[in-house]
Amino acid sequence: NAGVTQTPKFQVLKTGQSMTLQCAQDMNHNSMYWYRQDPGMGLRLIYYSASEGTTDKGEVPNGYNVSRLNKREFSLRLESAAPSQTSVYFCASTEGQGTNEQFFGPGTRLTVL
Amino acid sequence: RKEVEQDPGPFNVPEGATVAFNCTYSNSASQSFFWYRQDCRKEPKLLMSVYSSGNEDGRFTAQLNRASQYISLLIRDSKLSDSATYLCVVRFTGRRALTFGSGTRLQVQP
Repeated sequence: NAGVTQTPKFQVLKTGQSMTLQCAQDMNHNSMYWYRQDPGMGLRLIYYSASEGTTDKGEVPNGYNVSRLNKREFSLRLESAAPSQTSVYFCASTEGQGTNEQFFGPGTRLTVL
Repeated sequence: RKEVEQDPGPFNVPEGATVAFNCTYSNSASQSFFWYRQDCRKEPKLLMSVYSSGNEDGRFTAQLNRASQYISLLIRDSKLSDSATYLCVVRFTGRRALTFGSGTRLQVQP
């Protein structure tokens, strides 16, 4: 049982390049999330998916797109990377909402030059 | 102003000390409360939920004061392995996602 997995672990991009961050969970969870974490800012929600086939914007969605490919996978795409998107990106999943624990992946460290 | 605020620290304490962290939240329409722990360069992991009556898990005690809108975490008999960042987390009513504080860093020294 791997939990939540993310690829890649590290990535360096040049301004304007595109890339997709992959996330998968094997816990049969309905809800999945993408956060970014910057020093002094805490985790901020980019997008979330309450169930397969649905996605909603979070606090900081500009510059990102997401795809809930199936129940297991939730990808985050940067179409034209900017230095302001340099951050650590975490994917998370939870069985439902409310008081359910969120399980996080190990993160992707992205640097945009 | 952030919706969930924490003192960033760092709190530097000797082994065996008792340390307390506070967290305040600005929105009274709040539903659930948690403390997550994050080790350096790792993902956050749930430490404990916080219940209205207060709850304890070994050396850790969490308390909630809805009237004053703050949450606390008390760690007794600190261990070196407690060194980490502690994130205060709130689920506000009507929102699907959690809101995270920016964390309080704890460094336990030998």
